[in-house]
Amino acid sequence: QKEVEQNSGPLSVPEGAIASLNCTYSDRVSQSFFWYRQYSGKSPELIMSIYSNGDKEDGRFTAQLNKASQYVSLLIRDSQPSDSATYLCAPTGNQFYFGTGTSLTVIP
Amino acid sequence: DTEVTQTPKHLVMGMTNKKSLKCEQHMGHRAMYWYKQKAKKPPELMFVYSYEKLSINESVPSRFSPECPNSSLLNLHLHALQPEDSALYLCASSQTDRVEQPQHFGDGTRLSIL
Repeated sequence: QKEVEQNSGPLSVPEGAIASLNCTYSDRVSQSFFWYRQYSGKSPELIMSIYSNGDKEDGRFTAQLNKASQYVSLLIRDSQPSDSATYLCAPTGNQFYFGTGTSLTVIP
Repeated sequence: DTEVTQTPKHLVMGMTNKKSLKCEQHMGHRAMYWYKQKAKKPPELMFVYSYEKLSINESVPSRFSPECPNSSLLNLHLHALQPEDSALYLCASSQTDRVEQPQHFGDGTRLSIL
């Protein structure tokens, strides 16, 4: 299993703040990433994919990829209590294997 | 609503029982997966089927036996399980097993071994 590390948290942010979730990887084959969100007791759902260096924005979510540093992040702007979940990154080069996950709690 | 349907949602079984988990998708996907997830851990890959053939077995104990009867169905046959096998079992599918394609997950079967 490839090494994919995430800030394990738990991460708590107040409502309306920016939540920053990070993922580092050791596999140089991995060139792009998926971000999945998993609510407690539910299954993972895809929320973002990023295939090239730089930023990709989708609504309140921004994914950032830095291949040279082997680092990918997910920013959630204007965090809402409904964003409280575990976020999993998965390198598409080895997408069957997920990162360790970051638990996010947004406090009203 | 999920497009990958798993049954049953919950299953309690003894260590000597035989049971099966079922997964169905009608998205025309040709790759299907079984994952095991323990509490507060990420999903762990068990098996990958690509075009109805087993392509990856992550050294899963033989008490778990996968089956893919056709491109829409995936089963996981369970026999002589251990208490440590209690977990959430997730089925997923993707268009193919090419790594650029995201997976779609079912709601899972929560399995408890007595």
